[in-house]
Amino acid sequence: DGGITQSPKYLFRKEGQNVTLSCEQNLNHDAMYWYRQDPGQGLRLIYYSQIVNDFQKGDIAEGYSVSREKKESFPLTVTSAQKNPTAFYLCASSKLQNSNQPQHFGDGTRLSIL
Amino acid sequence: AQSVSQHNHHVILSEAASLELGCNYSYGGTVNLFWYVQYPGQHLQLLLKYFSGDPLVKGIKGFEAEFIKSKFSFNLRKPSVQWSDTAEYFCAVNLYGGSQGNLIFGKGTKLSVKP
Repeated sequence: DGGITQSPKYLFRKEGQNVTLSCEQNLNHDAMYWYRQDPGQGLRLIYYSQIVNDFQKGDIAEGYSVSREKKESFPLTVTSAQKNPTAFYLCASSKLQNSNQPQHFGDGTRLSIL
Repeated sequence: AQSVSQHNHHVILSEAASLELGCNYSYGGTVNLFWYVQYPGQHLQLLLKYFSGDPLVKGIKGFEAEFIKSKFSFNLRKPSVQWSDTAEYFCAVNLYGGSQGNLIFGKGTKLSVKP
């Protein structure tokens, strides 16, 4: 079955540490996205990428970084500069052709601070 | 700035009750509209979408939504809910022909259905 795989499911970060969340898709989608979900806040876009080796900041990019070296992969690094990293992180992908294409989501990674 | 408002944070219904979840948006121009659902422990998935044509859209599991352009609304409805509809529902909007990176989500509505 095609889909999006996020790992790990749970992640703990120590103060001052960078951590990387993995996102892999086998849907052959061009576009990939990272969202942060906080209770009562909905989904907020961190970064997105429409093509390999290119990505754009979303609404809350500060303290995060991404790379897109392969079409299938879009890892997110939560840096020590992100002062409030505890959240549920969702990765998504979509076909690029039209803005009406729905996004497909992974199961998420829950990040907590030790 | 563009925004999406979902009026209810938490809705509690008994089985067989009718459901209507409100969604209003502020966007200049033609829009694409989506409803996503997140069942407990599952990933977010598409419930239905509208981008053109008949403003009454039917989705999975008996859900439907009506796009009313004059009211900037895209309310989700179901005539008779089941316990299995317990989930969080998100409305999302972007500009027709625009970037997928500009998909704006509402804050979500939690639906609890009592058996």
